[in-house]
Amino acid sequence: GAGVSQSPRYKVAKRGQDVALRCDPISGHVSLFWYQQALGQGPEFLTYFQNEAQLDKSGLPSDRFFAERPEGSVSTLKIQRTQQEDSAVYLCASSSQSGTGSYEQYFGPGTRLTVT
Amino acid sequence: DQQVKQNSPSLSVQEGRISILNCDYTNSMFDYFLWYKKYPAEGPTFLISISSIKDKNEDGRFTVFLNKSAKHLSLHIVPSQPGDSAVYFCAASANYGGSQGNLIFGKGTKLSVKP
Repeated sequence: GAGVSQSPRYKVAKRGQDVALRCDPISGHVSLFWYQQALGQGPEFLTYFQNEAQLDKSGLPSDRFFAERPEGSVSTLKIQRTQQEDSAVYLCASSSQSGTGSYEQYFGPGTRLTVT
Repeated sequence: DQQVKQNSPSLSVQEGRISILNCDYTNSMFDYFLWYKKYPAEGPTFLISISSIKDKNEDGRFTVFLNKSAKHLSLHIVPSQPGDSAVYFCAASANYGGSQGNLIFGKGTKLSVKP
C-alpha cells in the first residue's frame, strides 16, 4: 500500500505570503502528526489529530500556523504571512494507533519550505 | 532543555563490524522508544522500537537495548553494511491510557559505513 505522501515537495515563498502544505496519510490511519525540522536538528512536534479532532496544537510556534483535517484523512498545514524563520522541512506522519501498544509513526518525504 | 540526547553527531564504522548508536533521555514518563533512519531529501524511516516494559528488541541485524535505570538506549547494527550509512534519530513518546503522544527526537547521529 501507499505510504504517507506530501505536496508540494519544495515550496519557495516570499516573506509575507501564505502557504498551504498537504499531507495524505496512510489509508485508515487514525492519528496524524505534523513536525518541523530545521537544518541539523531532529523533527519537532507541531500538532496532532485523532481522526478529525485536533487534540494537541501545543507545538505550533505562533498563531500564523493553522492545521486542519476536516474529514479525518487528508490534512493541510497553513502558514500565514510567512517569515524567514519559518524556513524548514515540514514532515507529516501517521499512525494506526492499533491499541496493542505499538506507537510507530510513519513519515512522509516532507515539504521543504524556503522563505526569501 | 533537551529531553532526548544523542551526544555523538557522527560515527564511522568499517563494513562488517558492529555499529553502536547511543541515546539518553531525561523524562521518566517516556514509555516507548523508536529509532528512525533518514537519507537526504527523504522523510525518516521507522527502523525498530521498544516498549519500556522490555529491555531488548531484535529485528534482523538491528537490536535495541533499553536501560531504564540509566535512562539510556542503544541501537546495535551487526554486521554493518555501506547501505546503512544515514542519519539515525532516536525518539521517545509518553502514551497515556492508549492515547498516543507525540515523538520527541534527538538531534541525530550520522553513521558512515566504509567498505
